[in-house]
Amino acid sequence: KAGVTQTPRYLIKTRGQQVTLSCSPISGHRSVSWYQQTPGQGLQFLFEYFSETQRNKGNFPGRFSGRQFSNSRSEMNVSTLELGDSALYLCASSPDSPNNYGYTFGSGTRLTVV
Amino acid sequence: GENVEQHPSTLSVQEGDSAVIKCTYSDSASNYFPWYKQELGKRPQLIIDIRSNVGEKKDQRIAVTLNKTAKHFSLHITETQPEDSAVYFCAACTSGTYKYIFGTGTRLKVLA
Repeated sequence: KAGVTQTPRYLIKTRGQQVTLSCSPISGHRSVSWYQQTPGQGLQFLFEYFSETQRNKGNFPGRFSGRQFSNSRSEMNVSTLELGDSALYLCASSPDSPNNYGYTFGSGTRLTVV
Repeated sequence: GENVEQHPSTLSVQEGDSAVIKCTYSDSASNYFPWYKQELGKRPQLIIDIRSNVGEKKDQRIAVTLNKTAKHFSLHITETQPEDSAVYFCAACTSGTYKYIFGTGTRLKVLA
């Protein structure tokens, strides 16, 4: 059974640019969540999607957005990149609610903003 | 706001000794508490979880205890081995929020 797949694994972008990260959940998992991991702030919740609907959003600026497609694949977009957006972005999937089943995380996309 | 405090931030133990990591959560409505292990350069992996209607859960060398009154939960690893060396994260989740509040992590080093 394939795990959670995130692409790309690494990205280097310049301040002001935008970026799109992709996540394919485990087959059959309908809940997809995104977290930002940094040494200083740890794991911070970005958003959660289920059946193409955003059910919750974390305390991030509007530059951070996401969506989920009918096949449960998800993308997140960060516009007008800032140096502070450099982080490991982790996607996680769960069969339905992450409260009922633990997440399975992907390996992450490491974003570096220069 | 919602918060999970985790202690200690670093922990070194001799191989074969026990390790204990403690977390405190702020939202009394939290009802699901998973623990994740993250090895260097790898993804976080779920190692054990506990629900609010259970006081203790064990899986081989790993156990988790929950004290709802005090809003504390702890991870216990017995007979530690070098491969237990990693960063461990606790988290708390409340029904209907669809998100985890993570602790800041504990770097465990098991010395051979």
